[in-house]
Amino acid sequence: DQQVKQNSPSLSVQEGRISILNCDYTNSMFDYFLWYKKYPAEGPTFLISISSIKDKNEDGRFTVFLNKSAKHLSLHIVPSQPGDSAVYFCAALFGNEKLTFGTGTRLTIIP
Amino acid sequence: GAVVSQHPSRVICKSGTSVKIECRSLDFQATTMFWYRQFPKQSLMLMATSNEGSKATYEQGVEKDKFLINHASLTLSTLTVTSAHPEDSSFYICSARDPTGGESSPLHFGNGTRLTVT
Repeated sequence: DQQVKQNSPSLSVQEGRISILNCDYTNSMFDYFLWYKKYPAEGPTFLISISSIKDKNEDGRFTVFLNKSAKHLSLHIVPSQPGDSAVYFCAALFGNEKLTFGTGTRLTIIP
Repeated sequence: GAVVSQHPSRVICKSGTSVKIECRSLDFQATTMFWYRQFPKQSLMLMATSNEGSKATYEQGVEKDKFLINHASLTLSTLTVTSAHPEDSSFYICSARDPTGGESSPLHFGNGTRLTVT
C-alpha cells in the first residue's frame, strides 16, 4: 500500500523554465512533508519541508505547495538549472514517526 | 550542518559471506538511526529503526536474523548482512535526525552503500 505516490517517474524541463514535481498521499494523518534530492550512488539530501498547517513554503528557487483537501503537494523549482537534474523524493511524516517516501521523480534539465 | 557518514560506499562480496556497513553521526548524537534499502527504480523502504542501547525495531517482512543491527554508541550504528545472497544486492542507506533541531528537523542521510553479492 503506497501511501505516498509520485505518479511521474520522469520529467524533462528546459533550463531556465519552471520545474513542477507532484506528490499525492492517502494518509490524512501525515502532518509534515519533505522533499529530498538524490544523485546516483549518493544518499538523499534534504531540500525543503512544509508543515500541514501551512500551504506554502519558499526557500530561494524552491517552493513547496500543500493542498490538504486534495492530499497533494508539489515542488516548484524556478528557474531550473542543470545542477537540478536528480531524482526527487517527497516524504511524509506523522508525528515523529518514520518517514514514508514516494517512489521518486527523475528530473532532467535540458541546457 | 549535521553530517551522517556511511562506510563503505561500495562492496562486492561472495554469496554466503557477511558484510558490515557502518553509519556514523559526525556532528550530533543520535539515539535513533534508520536503515533504508532501495531497489532500482523503487522508493526508499525503511528496513529497521536502530535504537542506542536496545534492540532494533524491524519493519514487517525484514528478517532480523539476516540483517543484524547494532547501535553500540550514540554516534554509531552498524548493519550486518549475514550469509548474503544475490537477492540482497541493493543500495543501503542510513539516516539520523539531529535531536537538537526539534521534532520536525529533517532526517540526514549517509551516502549509501552499494552492495553487490556475486
